Amino acid sequence: GENVEQHPSTLSVQEGDSAVIKCTYSDSASNYFPWYKQELGKGPQLIIDIRSNVGEKKDQRIAVTLNKTAKHFSLHITETQPEDSAVYFCAAIRGGSYIPTFGRGTSLIVHP
Amino acid sequence: DAGVIQSPRHEVTEMGQEVTLRCKPISGHNSLFWYRQTMMRGLELLIYFNNNVPIDDSGMPEDRFSAKMPNASFSTLKIQPSEPRDSAVYFCASRNTEAFFGQGTRLTVV
Repeated sequence: GENVEQHPSTLSVQEGDSAVIKCTYSDSASNYFPWYKQELGKGPQLIIDIRSNVGEKKDQRIAVTLNKTAKHFSLHITETQPEDSAVYFCAAIRGGSYIPTFGRGTSLIVHP
Repeated sequence: DAGVIQSPRHEVTEMGQEVTLRCKPISGHNSLFWYRQTMMRGLELLIYFNNNVPIDDSGMPEDRFSAKMPNASFSTLKIQPSEPRDSAVYFCASRNTEAFFGQGTRLTVV
């Protein structure tokens, strides 16, 4: 089955800096890669996603990149703000499957 | 739409008792998932339903765990009997093209 590795497990940055979270996947048949943000006491919320026919996608301060050859994808947050502090999860979904396989999560702390 | 609705938000029960967690998926979503989240193991998929039919329950840890989806708008996850190691946050998610999570049920078994 699919295996998703996520790094780092914790990331501490100063407000205004950029943050990058990286994930690798094992199943070359995976073609959909969502990212979730989980705030304390809440469920994970979808923030951005990318499909395998696209190399990069941006939405304001967040962007995702995908390298299908290397089987890795990354989340980039620019101009970080304290409200970006949360746990971020990457996931991979195999074509024809409905089941996301999640990474272990990255705890992002943005210091004011 | 109010999103995926889970109840209760918090449950504290004594070891050996039966626990039932409830989920109302987003209307029109044909896939429903139950996940368990712990610090040690992260997000674990317990069971996945498609069109109300259980497709993959390989993540259900033991026979003490059971899940049902009697119709498209309701699902339950039952633990009987509960044990302290079942303490975790349990999430329900539903999906059409993207998966949306509920707020979770924090279960504490003492």
